[in-house]
Amino acid sequence: EADIYQTPRYLVIGTGKKITLECSQTMGHDKMYWYQQDPGMELHLIHYSYGVNSTEKGDLSSESTVSRIRTEHFPLTLESARPSHTSQYLCASSLYTEAFFGQGTRLTVV
Amino acid sequence: KNEVEQSPQNLTAQEGEFITINCSYSVGISALHWLQQHPGGGIVSLFMLSSGKKKHGRLIATINIQEKHSSLHITASHPRDSAVYICAVRADSGAGSYQLTFGKGTKLSVIP
Repeated sequence: EADIYQTPRYLVIGTGKKITLECSQTMGHDKMYWYQQDPGMELHLIHYSYGVNSTEKGDLSSESTVSRIRTEHFPLTLESARPSHTSQYLCASSLYTEAFFGQGTRLTVV
Repeated sequence: KNEVEQSPQNLTAQEGEFITINCSYSVGISALHWLQQHPGGGIVSLFMLSSGKKKHGRLIATINIQEKHSSLHITASHPRDSAVYICAVRADSGAGSYQLTFGKGTKLSVIP
């Protein structure tokens, strides 16, 4: 069973608030990813990291930022949440080619 | 045009039916994943393929590299198989080789 965890699972927050979505994995994977998924749509890569102190933006432009200070931890931050940020955010990690996914965070900005 | 196309988009089946979901892609790949996403949103990796065929329980996945096509089959379908099934590919070279490109998914509903 994959050991990758996301918190919170669900979050409803007001416009303008700063939020951090947590993602942790205990598998020692170097590569970690954040995906955004709107209802009924495909997943889009918004950030990825190949290791500590390495972060890159993905295919889909996002106002969020990420950090990778520790191998096991890859938090995503929105400095000022807006209704357009309402979506599902999925975190994943991989060692070689197989990917493991977290349960996702469903974010609603009101 | 998405690099990964799945069909059908929606599928309703009676319990016990044999189900096939198709995935076509347009780029060279090093691996193809079949993923299962339940209504709560969590994703489980079902298969990772680079050639041939894999079987796990009632699930079978095949891939034809020359035709750039993969199929996911479910035998003796059950209501608990109801989920969205997503095809994802990993490019075979370049900066994209560590990243997955996803299809839009196939929503499967199995009726008792």
